[in-house]
Amino acid sequence: EDKVVQSPLSLVVHEGDTVTLNCSYEVTNFRSLLWYKQEKKAPTFLFMLTSSGIEKKSGRLSSILDKKELFSILNITATQTGDSAVYLCAVTDRGSTLGRLYFGRGTQLTVWP
Amino acid sequence: SAVISQKPSRDICQRGTSLTIQCQVDSQVTMMFWYRQQPGQSLTLIATANQGSEATYESGFVIDKFPISRPNLTFSTLTVSNMSPEDSSIYLCSYAGQDIPFKETQYFGPGTRLLVL
Repeated sequence: EDKVVQSPLSLVVHEGDTVTLNCSYEVTNFRSLLWYKQEKKAPTFLFMLTSSGIEKKSGRLSSILDKKELFSILNITATQTGDSAVYLCAVTDRGSTLGRLYFGRGTQLTVWP
Repeated sequence: SAVISQKPSRDICQRGTSLTIQCQVDSQVTMMFWYRQQPGQSLTLIATANQGSEATYESGFVIDKFPISRPNLTFSTLTVSNMSPEDSSIYLCSYAGQDIPFKETQYFGPGTRLLVL
């Protein structure tokens, strides 16, 4: 059973729209949640979240974690065609090997001009 | 973050053959990892590449099929042995960040896209 569930699986928007991507997780001893952007092959790191309620922000992207409800959201405002990618969510578990990331299946975001 | 590279970037192989993928980081890193991403699926950890000792494999992955080397702190190889079409995937290496709080953050190489015929 998947430990990390992302929704929606795919999303198509127009440039300028704001999108919210969701990630829910279920691990025994949560340590951190990470967001990645995957274009073509290589995932690139966006955010790491460890504490509830503290928003991480980078330009038009922001993310927040809710450890009580076991989910995180990634917001992208004023979307651009260059935001088109698969967005991956991953969590780490204190009980697992250091470095063990549990990935969700990702949200495929397509931004039309 | 350090620059991480992989080669080859892609290959087409015949079933029954083996392919070795190389991963190079431009500075010394403690932990390196190998992942597989099958078509339409997310990333699955194959193993942790340990410098100077045998790799630590995840459930479902074995050394005979995916031998890994880690001769030093900047380099690792993954071999996909006796390939079958089911091994067609993207293979990614990564390293863990060196400084707190980023030790849990992994940085990925550009990936190797493998097609087995």
